[in-house]
Amino acid sequence: DADVTQTPRNRITKTGKRIMLECSQTKGHDRMYWYRQDPGLGLRLIYYSFDVKDINKGEISDGYSVSRQAQAKFSLSLESAIPNQTALYFCATSDLGRGHNEQFFGPGTRLTVL
Amino acid sequence: DAKTTQPPSMDCAEGRAANLPCNHSTISGNEYVYWYRQIHSQGPQYIIHGLKNNETNEMASLIITEDRKSSTLILPHATLRDTAVYYCIVSVPSEGGSEKLVFGKGTKLTVNP
Repeated sequence: DADVTQTPRNRITKTGKRIMLECSQTKGHDRMYWYRQDPGLGLRLIYYSFDVKDINKGEISDGYSVSRQAQAKFSLSLESAIPNQTALYFCATSDLGRGHNEQFFGPGTRLTVL
Repeated sequence: DAKTTQPPSMDCAEGRAANLPCNHSTISGNEYVYWYRQIHSQGPQYIIHGLKNNETNEMASLIITEDRKSSTLILPHATLRDTAVYYCIVSVPSEGGSEKLVFGKGTKLTVNP
């Protein structure tokens, strides 16, 4: 969905480096999510946020942190990257007002940790 | 969240209907059935959702059994662009602490010319 953008799209980094992945949305949605996907597997939820003051851990939050700087921006940080964090990362948004959990996904960030 | 069971892969001829099954035998009364698809490492795309009744939109139809223990996503005239991994998910919408989609491995649908 072009209304949800992620930067960078690809990143190669080294073990121990701090990495930030950014997500921006122009949909005006209040809820935002970060997922990771490993090859051959479905998406797993890392963190989610219902609004600017709300942060919730997902299924696999260890080794990650997030910041909701504004309604439109939700950043994911890896404080000290490790090789098993190599994955495809997706940001998503949804709208509380829609009354159902339709999530709109960004194009993904492919992260490689050497 | 209730778990879902889907076949790992399916094939369909172009122009024919694709019927993708999903079992969710432990679904709760307030859980909806959602279908998403993911085309080759792109972000997943919402297709359709339902609670009890059958649903249809411009992309697909969703048939939910009366006991709600299973459902079928129908793509009425599959095209090559429908080749993707299809995820069946059960979720309670818009409740604090339950606002999450649990993705399994899905069904890899291949539409053949």
